[in-house]
Order: sequence, then C-alpha cells, then structure tokens
Amino acid sequence: GDSVTQMEGPVTLSEEAFLTINCTYTATGYPSLFWYVQYPGEGLQLLLKATKADDKGSNKGFEATYRKETTSFHLEKGSVQVSDSAVYFCALTLGPYNNNDMRFGAGTRLTVKP
Amino acid sequence: DVKVTQSSRYLVKRTGEKVFLECVQDMDHENMFWYRQDPGLGLRLIYFSYDVKMKEKGDIPEGYSVSREKKERFSLILESASTNQTSMYLCASQREGEPRTGVPQPQHFGDGTRLSIL
Repeated sequence: GDSVTQMEGPVTLSEEAFLTINCTYTATGYPSLFWYVQYPGEGLQLLLKATKADDKGSNKGFEATYRKETTSFHLEKGSVQVSDSAVYFCALTLGPYNNNDMRFGAGTRLTVKP
Repeated sequence: DVKVTQSSRYLVKRTGEKVFLECVQDMDHENMFWYRQDPGLGLRLIYFSYDVKMKEKGDIPEGYSVSREKKERFSLILESASTNQTSMYLCASQREGEPRTGVPQPQHFGDGTRLSIL
C-alpha cells in the first residue's frame, strides 16, 4: 500500500548546523507530498508541500524537492535554530480520487542545542 | 488562516465512561478527520467524514464512533473508554481538492487533546 518512510530520530544538532531529514515514499498513483511540524504540546502545522514532480516546497528556510525518480522528499535547512526543535512528519496524499487518504511517516524528533 | 479547535487540551476519564471529543473548524471545509498519535506509531486514522452525516472508517475504528451533524463540527466518541485508548487525539480538516485537476489540499490540524483513561 501507499506509505511514507522517514529517517528515525532523534536528531540532535548544534545551532547553525545543516539539517537533512530523509523521506521516501511508495505510492501507486501521483501523490502530493507534505512536511508537517509539531512543536511541543501542539498539533501538526503544515510546513511545506509539493504537488508534482520537481516541485520545490519552501517555508521558514526549510526546503524539500519532489523527486519522482528516487521517490523522495527530503527536508533540508541550511542553518537550524533552537526554535526549530520539534517533531517533523513527512506525509503523502493521493487526493480526492483516492479518498483523500493521507499517510504519515513515524516522525523525526529534532533537538537543536545552542 | 484555518482554525481547527478541539474542545479540550487535557482530559482525564475513567474506564467504562462514554467520552466525547469535539472538533470545530471555521473554514467551511468538506473533509474532517480524527487521528490518534502514539509514540513510535506516528498518526493513525480513526475515522473521517466527507460531508454532513457521512463517515468512513479509517485504520483503527474499533472502540470509537463519530458524529457529524453540522459541517463545521466532527465529534469522536469513545463508547466505553479503556486504558488502551489513552493517547493524543488530533482532529484535522481539509478543503476538497479541485475536481478538475484532482490536486489534493493539505490537512489542517487542531492542537490535540491528550486523553488519559484511568
């Protein structure tokens, strides 16, 4: 079935370090891909999205490129801050013709130390 | 901005009680969802709804039911709460994707309800 696999955490980085969180997917159709972020004690917030191959989603210094050839959507940020400490979820959905089913990865906890 | 509001941030109930979790969205979204989030398991879909009075089972519906009497409100019901239903519950809403292009829309989440069953 359709699924998302993301790198296991936790990930601990120093402030201003480069971040990569890997995400790969398996889908029978043409999914849209998302990254969500969950700050402590809060729900999930949409961080960025990409709806077709080669699209690049970006927000708050984070970027991810939809790579169909490698079925990947890796999250990157050039210089992380302490305030980026959170759990990050990769997700896919095949849209309204597939029941809007959204599949989430298990989440990757990021801790950024000063 | 989309606002999804869950009625309680923290809730403590006893085994065997009937528990209601309420969720309201203010953007006239067609679709609404209930998930539970557990460490190491990520988010798992319990139920979802495409329209008023419509509901569909997700991956783990056992022990739960839902109600959608109005478009903006989606309620999750634990018929007889058990300790293994202690979890974080997340509600989400979503605008229906464009029927012509089929491009799906993101889901928007509430802040969650941390439910403890004693």
